[in-house]
Amino acid sequence: DIQMTQSPSFLSASVGDRVTINCKASQNINKYLNWYQQKLGEAPKRLIYNTNNLQTGIPSRFSGSGSGTDYTLTISSLQPEDFATYFCLQHNSFPFTFGSGTKLEIK
Amino acid sequence: EVQLVESGEGLVQPGSSMKLSCVASGFTFSNYGMNWIRQAPKKGLEWIALIYYDSSSKYYADSVKGRFTISRDNSKNTLYLEMNSLRSEDTAMYYCAKSRLFDYWGQGVMVTVSS
Repeated sequence: DIQMTQSPSFLSASVGDRVTINCKASQNINKYLNWYQQKLGEAPKRLIYNTNNLQTGIPSRFSGSGSGTDYTLTISSLQPEDFATYFCLQHNSFPFTFGSGTKLEIK
Repeated sequence: EVQLVESGEGLVQPGSSMKLSCVASGFTFSNYGMNWIRQAPKKGLEWIALIYYDSSSKYYADSVKGRFTISRDNSKNTLYLEMNSLRSEDTAMYYCAKSRLFDYWGQGVMVTVSS
């Protein structure tokens, strides 16, 4: 199975900050990497698919990059509504696997 | 608007069975594969099953293989997860998600396995 190591687990930041969240795969996942935002009691929302494709309706302050085994989600300027939990998903090969999540909190 | 609504939430005893449903709307259900994913309390997400758009192929995580069955009824726009021989470690929030690209998810239903 492909292991997805997500970091950091917790992130404290302020409105307006630029933040990055990382996912490292245990093997090449060929850019089949999605990023999600989840708020308490809500369905996970896809932000980015296949490494760097912005989901329709998601603000352009969210971006993704990476290749091979290393992937990054960047939020260029944090807004109050961005404080949530973020996780990555590799869908390159079965079983699909998730990062452990990053909880983004207000500093 | 794409909507996925799970149902079948509940508390069951170890060794028993349970069936979850996920009703889809806002897209042509019969054109897309569908997934089940779960998240145990204070744990990470775990993909557990995928079914192709036409039910021709099904894939399972090792943790549920042989106990859980994914199925669908395209005439009812509904995805199912039949869970047998339930264990305490199956206690989790269960989500359905659309397509191999996991583009839309439901809000999830809680399954608790406890005596």
